[in-house]
Amino acid sequence: AQKVTQAQTEISVVEKEDVTLDCVYETRDTTYYLFWYKQPPSGELVFLIRRNSFDEQNEISGRYSWNFQKSTSSFNFTITASQVVDSAVYFCALSEAEPARIKAAGNKLTFGGGTRVLVKP
Amino acid sequence: GAGVSQSPSNKVTEKGKDVELRCDPISGHTALYWYRQSLGQGLEFLIYFQGNSAPDKSGLPSDRFSAERTGGSVSTLTIQRTQQEDSAVYLCASSLELRTDTQYFGPGTRLTVL
Repeated sequence: AQKVTQAQTEISVVEKEDVTLDCVYETRDTTYYLFWYKQPPSGELVFLIRRNSFDEQNEISGRYSWNFQKSTSSFNFTITASQVVDSAVYFCALSEAEPARIKAAGNKLTFGGGTRVLVKP
Repeated sequence: GAGVSQSPSNKVTEKGKDVELRCDPISGHTALYWYRQSLGQGLEFLIYFQGNSAPDKSGLPSDRFSAERTGGSVSTLTIQRTQQEDSAVYLCASSLELRTDTQYFGPGTRLTVL
C-alpha cells in the first residue's frame, strides 16, 4: 500500500536560515505523482509543486527547491533564506497513477504526517 | 478565478445530530474529493466524485457518512447521528480532470461535536 513518511514533526529556525524537509514514500506503482502542500495558520492547503515519477529533474522556484531521488524514494523540499511568512505546516503527498487504481480510488492523495516549520525573526 | 469554497466554515453540533457540509468546486472541474483532517489520523481520504458518480465509497469511516454531488458541481457531505470522534476539519478539493490532475483545496469546515 502507498505510504508517505515525514520523519520531522517540527523544525524551528531563525530567519534567513535554510531548512530542508524530508519526505520518503512507498508505492507499488511505477507511475505516480508526488506533491508538496503548505498549510499556513489560516488552514487552507496551498499547492506548491507536483512531480511525476518519470521526471527526476530537480526544480527551483524562487526560494523553494525540490530534490527527487527515485533510488531512495525521497522527495525533499528546501526553503532557502527562510522568512517568517514561511511558518506553516508542510505536507508531502503521493498519488498512484496506474489506470486501475485511478478507476478505483480516483487520484486520491496519501499524505505524510506533516512537518511544522517555525521561522523566528 | 474563484477557488474551492466550503460552507459553513465552522459547525458546532451536539452528539446525535445530523450535519451537512457543502463544497463548491472550481468552475469546470470534473473531479471532486473529500478529505478529513484530525489530530489523531492526520489527513485522510474519504471519497471522490467523477461528475456525479462516486465509484468507491470505502474511504468513508462508517455508514453514518454519505455524500452526493449534483449537476457535476456542488457536493454535500452528510454525517448522521454525529459522534465526538467525527470532530475534525473536513476538506474538499477539486481537479480539472480525474486522471493525474493537481487537486486544489478549499478552506475546510471545522466540525466540533459536543
